Amino acid sequence: GIQVEQSPPDLILQEGANSTLRCNFSDSVNNLQWFHQNPWGQLINLFYIPSGTKQNGRLSATTVATERYSLLYISSSQTTDSGVYFCAVAQAGTALIFGKGTTLSVSS
Amino acid sequence: ETGVTQSPTHLIKTRGQQVTLRCSSQSGHNTVSWYQQALGQGPQFIFQYYREEENGRGNFPPRFSGLQFPNYSSELNVNALELDDSALYLCASSPRGLETQYFGPGTRLLVL
Repeated sequence: GIQVEQSPPDLILQEGANSTLRCNFSDSVNNLQWFHQNPWGQLINLFYIPSGTKQNGRLSATTVATERYSLLYISSSQTTDSGVYFCAVAQAGTALIFGKGTTLSVSS
Repeated sequence: ETGVTQSPTHLIKTRGQQVTLRCSSQSGHNTVSWYQQALGQGPQFIFQYYREEENGRGNFPPRFSGLQFPNYSSELNVNALELDDSALYLCASSPRGLETQYFGPGTRLLVL
C-alpha cells in the first residue's frame, strides 16, 4: 500500500519563527489533506490540497503531485500552533492514509 | 451547520466486553469513515460507509463492525475487547467522492 512519510518528526520553535513541514508519499494520490491535532485529540482541517498551492492566513501549503510531496509552511509561529500536524492521502476516495505526524512545540 | 459529533467522549471497559460508539455526520454528508488512533501514532482506517453499505475496510478483524443509518449517522461496534483496543476512535464524514473528510472530536476508549 501507499506509504506516507513526514519530516521532521519533532520541531521546537520560538514564537515568531517560521517552519516548513514535509510530506512524501509513495504513489499517485487524488486526495491530500493536512490536519492539526490539538491537545484534546480533535483533528482540525487545514488544507485539502491534492495539487497546487493554497494559503490561509499564516499557513500555506504546496503539493507537487508529479514529485509526490507536499509542504506545509507556518509563518510567525504562535504558541497556539503547538500540536501534531498530520498529512493524509487517499487514492480511491475511501481510506485516508496518515503519516506519523510532526510534533510542533512553540515556546514564548 | 452542525459539525461531526461523537458519543460518548470517554469510555472505560474491561477485556472481553463489547462497546458501541456513535457518530453523527455533518449536514449534507452521506459518507462516514471510522479511524483508530493509538497513542503516539497516526489514525488508521477501520472502514467506511456510504448510503448504509460498507464501502471499504482496513486491516481490522471482524469483531470490528459498523452500521450506517438512513440519516447517515453511524455506529462502530467492537466485540470481545482486547487491551490493544484502547485508543482514540475518530469518525469522519464527507460528501460522496474525493472530498475533504471532516473529523469529529473522537471517543477515548480504555480497556482494562
